[in-house]
Amino acid sequence: EPEVTQTPSHQVTQMGQEVILRCVPISNHLYFYWYRQILGQKVEFLVSFYNNEISEKSEIFDDQFSVERPDGSNFTLKIRSTKLEDSAMYFCASSVIRVPYGYTFGSGTRLTVV
Amino acid sequence: DAKTTQPPSMDCAEGRAANLPCNHSTISGNEYVYWYRQIHSQGPQYIIHGLKNNETNEMASLIITEDRKSSTLILPHATLRDTAVYYCIATGNQFYFGTGTSLTVIP
Repeated sequence: EPEVTQTPSHQVTQMGQEVILRCVPISNHLYFYWYRQILGQKVEFLVSFYNNEISEKSEIFDDQFSVERPDGSNFTLKIRSTKLEDSAMYFCASSVIRVPYGYTFGSGTRLTVV
Repeated sequence: DAKTTQPPSMDCAEGRAANLPCNHSTISGNEYVYWYRQIHSQGPQYIIHGLKNNETNEMASLIITEDRKSSTLILPHATLRDTAVYYCIATGNQFYFGTGTSLTVIP
């Protein structure tokens, strides 16, 4: 069964550093998403991406965040200057179309900012 | 997206059916009902979705009331591996997760 692959599984970074989280969506999917989950809290929507541009973003997705699809396979989330409160699980997801098909999520990257 | 209401937690005996309810009384005509689950801190896993008819797949059954204001996810023979947080989402667009129902399957 096709999978969404995320790397690394765990990343530790110092406050103020830039991090890039990487995702390889399912190959025939057209929509891409990033979500995050702070420990013990809800899964929160960050951004959706379609046709090489952001289609929707949440209030969380401020200027320190950016997304990119640098080639035909990768989808990345960049956090420019990490804060302690950015520590969370970050999940990438992809879908063929938005509705009615569901999203396929990756297994996540645990980001720890120290 | 319609607001959904789920009980915060439920227990189920292993081997028995787990029936997880969801209220989505403000659902609109073009919004689907989706169920996902999250085991520990893994990525959410798709279970099933439906519009107005009952649906069944290899994982579960989804029963949607005729007025579409509520639905029930049924895991027919719960196992310990079904212990997870189950999310009901009613949407025609973006997926927003609530707090879900924490299901514990008891040996």
